[in-house]
Amino acid sequence: NAGVMQNPRHLVRRRGQEARLRCSPMKGHSHVYWYRQLPEEGLKFMVYLQKENIIDESGMPKERFSAEFPKEGPSILRIQQVVRGDSAAYFCASSGRVDTEAFFGQGTRLTVV
Amino acid sequence: DQQVKQNSPSLSVQEGRISILNCDYTNSMFDYFLWYKKYPAEGPTFLISISSIKDKNEDGRFTVFLNKSAKHLSLHIVPSQPGDSAVYFCAASVLTGNQFYFGTGTSLTVIP
Repeated sequence: NAGVMQNPRHLVRRRGQEARLRCSPMKGHSHVYWYRQLPEEGLKFMVYLQKENIIDESGMPKERFSAEFPKEGPSILRIQQVVRGDSAAYFCASSGRVDTEAFFGQGTRLTVV
Repeated sequence: DQQVKQNSPSLSVQEGRISILNCDYTNSMFDYFLWYKKYPAEGPTFLISISSIKDKNEDGRFTVFLNKSAKHLSLHIVPSQPGDSAVYFCAASVLTGNQFYFGTGTSLTVIP
């Protein structure tokens, strides 16, 4: 059973382009979380999704960022019109239940040039 | 507002000795606590957790202690090994809530 899979591992985008980050949760997990880690900082919550539903997006910037977790396929974190400040490591985590530990993927390192 | 705090950014310990990593939280509603370990360029790996109904949980060389009155938890690693060198994150959640709140991490170096 593969763990949480994120791709790509590294993504370089020019300012103004779109970034799409993908996350396939562990098999059987229906809860997906996205976190961002800026340089020299801890992990900051962005959004929590269940299949086809956004449960909590209180950590998402109001503009340019969106997330989805469709019935089929991976969860997608989409950043439109990227800016240099979006450069960070983006981690996805999944859990089988809301009251258990979450397992993290290896992250996508986004660099905006 | 940092609800989970790890005030020591780094810690160095001799191999074989005990490593103690500390974590404080401010939200009294938190009832589930976790420790994650992270190597550079990798995702955090779950280590150990504890619910608020307990004050201690042990798993091999790792023990987590919870002091609810002080809103403090700690992770003890004994004996420490060089492979334990990593960044350790403390996290907390409300079991009925939607997210884990993470501290800023403590970088542990175990010296051979």
